[in-house]
Amino acid sequence: AQKVTQAQTEISVVEKEDVTLDCVYETRDTTYYLFWYKQPPSGELVFLIRRNSFDEQNEISGRYSWNFQKSTSSFNFTITASQVVDSAVYFCALSGGRDDKIIFGKGTRLHILP
Amino acid sequence: DTAVSQTPKYLVTQMGNDKSIKCEQNLGHDTMYWYKQDSKKFLKIMFSYNNKELIINETVPNRFSPKSPDKAHLNLHINSLELGDSAVYFCASSWSRRETQYFGPGTRLLVL
Repeated sequence: AQKVTQAQTEISVVEKEDVTLDCVYETRDTTYYLFWYKQPPSGELVFLIRRNSFDEQNEISGRYSWNFQKSTSSFNFTITASQVVDSAVYFCALSGGRDDKIIFGKGTRLHILP
Repeated sequence: DTAVSQTPKYLVTQMGNDKSIKCEQNLGHDTMYWYKQDSKKFLKIMFSYNNKELIINETVPNRFSPKSPDKAHLNLHINSLELGDSAVYFCASSWSRRETQYFGPGTRLLVL
């Protein structure tokens, strides 16, 4: 069975601090995909990144970076120099298996304090 | 030029009523989905259609019935609404099941 664990339910940091959101996944598939989505207070779900299981290169996009480590089944997300607009719930997700269904983690609520 | 749109955005109704939520995507995607997000923000897939064909049907009460008239539309009809159906329902679409899913703005359903 596939599983995504986001152990941090809620995190608060002061603006300009760096923050890392953890994501640990479980799967028996050799081919799978990992995602991060952002859900700001307005409620929409915004796609951030997709990574396939064969690509372990880390990714950087502006202040956002992602660290994928198959050895520890983790796909962590770091925000550098956080801003108040980064306040949101962040979801890690995994797709794979016979039906490629996406399984979402329970989300991490991030508060960036001014 | 919204990519994935849902109507209505808000839906307040009485227990026992029947209601529908509509979803349309203009991305040309082949696959569409319905998700339910509960009050604790937990997101769970309900249904998935590929080119109008049902491919994922999670353990959802049969009061929920999806309908896909064409690959750009996936509607959700709910019969005999119950208090526990109150949630945010998201529609999404993607090129295929392995590709990135793009979500609609959500429909906030409140059953009184």
